[in-house]
Amino acid sequence: GAGVSQSPSNKVTEKGKDVELRCDPISGHTALYWYRQSLGQGLEFLIYFQGNSAPDKSGLPSDRFSAERTGGSVSTLTIQRTQQEDSAVYLCASSLKRGPYEQYFGPGTRLTVT
Amino acid sequence: GESVGLHLPTLSVQEGDNSIINCAYSNSASDYFIWYKQESGKGPQFIIDIRSNMDKRQGQRVTVLLNKTVKHLSLQIAATQPGDSAVYFCAENYDRGSTLGRLYFGRGTQLTVWP
Repeated sequence: GAGVSQSPSNKVTEKGKDVELRCDPISGHTALYWYRQSLGQGLEFLIYFQGNSAPDKSGLPSDRFSAERTGGSVSTLTIQRTQQEDSAVYLCASSLKRGPYEQYFGPGTRLTVT
Repeated sequence: GESVGLHLPTLSVQEGDNSIINCAYSNSASDYFIWYKQESGKGPQFIIDIRSNMDKRQGQRVTVLLNKTVKHLSLQIAATQPGDSAVYFCAENYDRGSTLGRLYFGRGTQLTVWP
């Protein structure tokens, strides 16, 4: 079956521009997570959506970052006024239900801010 | 602060040998642990998980061991193959309430398999 998909796969943007990253979770999965992975580093939690509950935004590094999940499915991570330190791979994952259960990851979006 | 960490950042093994990747955790409240494999340019791929009411769990060519006494987790890969070369991450869950299910990841170990 279809796994988690993310788009775009690569994004190059100029400092100060806004970017939107998209995640399509596995159908039927109620939990959705965003992580950030800098070069050679582990995964840094950003935000967590579970069903219709208010998202856990405690991992967002600044108010330039926001995310939404429409209809309990597709999610968009928005970074406003991008900075060079935002350059990283942004990974999305979904799991069947409220955890802890295995999370299935997408291929990621590589963001480069020039 | 409490965090998931790894003993070795790199591990090199000969094809056919067994590999052991270690992970230390410091949160005694952790009740769920999971291993992921990440190949270059790809997202992490689930390998195996274990809950705190177990000490050992086996999958296909992989075994996870959990020692709660010393807060240690290990991943054993039998008959390691070149295709096993990747970065391996351990992660733990200790959140409760609204953030139940959130995983905390270690830095990762780079496994290189030589033919």
